[in-house]
Amino acid sequence: DIQMTQSPSSLSASVGDRVTFTCRASQSIDNYLNWYQQKPGKAPKLLIYAASTLLSGVPSRFSGSGSGTDFTLTITNLQPEDFATYHCQQSYIIPQTFGQGTKLEIK
Amino acid sequence: EVQLVESGGGLVQPGGSLRLSCAASGFTFSSYWMIWVRQAPGKGLEWVANIKQDGSAQYYVDSVKRRFTISRDNAKNSLFLQMNSLRDEDTAIYYCVRWAYSSGRYYVDYWGQGTLVTVSS
Repeated sequence: DIQMTQSPSSLSASVGDRVTFTCRASQSIDNYLNWYQQKPGKAPKLLIYAASTLLSGVPSRFSGSGSGTDFTLTITNLQPEDFATYHCQQSYIIPQTFGQGTKLEIK
Repeated sequence: EVQLVESGGGLVQPGGSLRLSCAASGFTFSSYWMIWVRQAPGKGLEWVANIKQDGSAQYYVDSVKRRFTISRDNAKNSLFLQMNSLRDEDTAIYYCVRWAYSSGRYYVDYWGQGTLVTVSS
């Protein structure tokens, strides 16, 4: 199985900041990488697929990049509603494994 | 509007069984792969099992093989997860999710609200 490792596991930031999360795959997955946002007590929501394609309706302050084994999710000008947990997932091969998540907290 | 509504969760003793159901509406159910994803308390997401559109193929994470069975009834727009020989580590919220395909890539585009399974004596 492909292992997905996210770093950091948690991050504190302030409204207006720029933050970057990392997701690393244990083998190359081309750009078969999705990002999800999850708020407490809620199901996750898709933000980005194919590493860098924003789902319609997702604010442009979110962006994704990467290919192969290393991927990043960047949020610029953090808004209060962005404080949540972010999960990456590879869709390259079954099982479509997730990372352990990065929790973004308010500083 | 796409809706996925899970049911069947609850408290069960180790070694017991549960059957989860997911009622789908608002889309052509038979056109999509479907997946069960779980999340243990305070933990990350774990892909559990998926099933092809016509039910002809199923895949499982190693930890549930030979204990869980995923199935579907396209006539009733329903997805199921039969869980046997349950263990403490199966305690989690179980989500029914739609596996969508666009521009050559797969992703989860809709999630149910989840149903909690607690395995405890």
